Amino acid sequence: AQSVTQPDIHITVSEGASLELRCNYSYGATPYLFWYVQSPGQGLQLLLKYFSGDTLVQGIKGFEAEFKRSQSSFNLRKPSVHWSDAAEYFCAVKAAGNKLTFGGGTRVLVKP
Amino acid sequence: DAGVTQSPTHLIKTRGQQVTLRCSPKSGHDTVSWYQQALGQGPQFIFQYYEEEERQRGNFPDRFSGHQFPNYSSELNVNALLLGDSALYLCASSFWITDSGEQYFGPGTRLTVT
Repeated sequence: AQSVTQPDIHITVSEGASLELRCNYSYGATPYLFWYVQSPGQGLQLLLKYFSGDTLVQGIKGFEAEFKRSQSSFNLRKPSVHWSDAAEYFCAVKAAGNKLTFGGGTRVLVKP
Repeated sequence: DAGVTQSPTHLIKTRGQQVTLRCSPKSGHDTVSWYQQALGQGPQFIFQYYEEEERQRGNFPDRFSGHQFPNYSSELNVNALLLGDSALYLCASSFWITDSGEQYFGPGTRLTVT
């Protein structure tokens, strides 16, 4: 069965510093992978997706993610964090059919 | 172009009661999925509707049921509410034919069971 692990529950980063969020997945076939962001009390907003092709994908809000098949990882990065990036981030994999399996999330706190 | 909308925003119910949550998909989308997000956790897939039929179901009891209407909107019904049903319920819409898993989420309905 498919699964997603986000090893870091909380990350604190200073404004202007770089950010990397880790995601490891388990899925037998070629995965379709997603990163979503959730602000407090809000729904999920799609940041970026990987289906195939170039392993470095660009998303909205200056985020990018790199797919590494050998490591079963899909880590999210941002070169310079803004205070508005404080939120919870979820990695997800598309399973059989059309459902998404999510990781437990990583909460990002931004220090001024 | 309206995105995914859900109603109500918040709901408070008592154990044993029944609740209905509603979702309108993003314009043009024909598939609706429902997810339950307990506090501090990632969303868990409940079920998915396409062409007014349940196409896929997660590991949720039969107390959770749904419906999709001809205009693609959807309802989630939960019977015999338990305290553990307290959560944020998220609706997501997508195109069935793309089969990519790319889904767009609504703001959610916060259900509190007392």
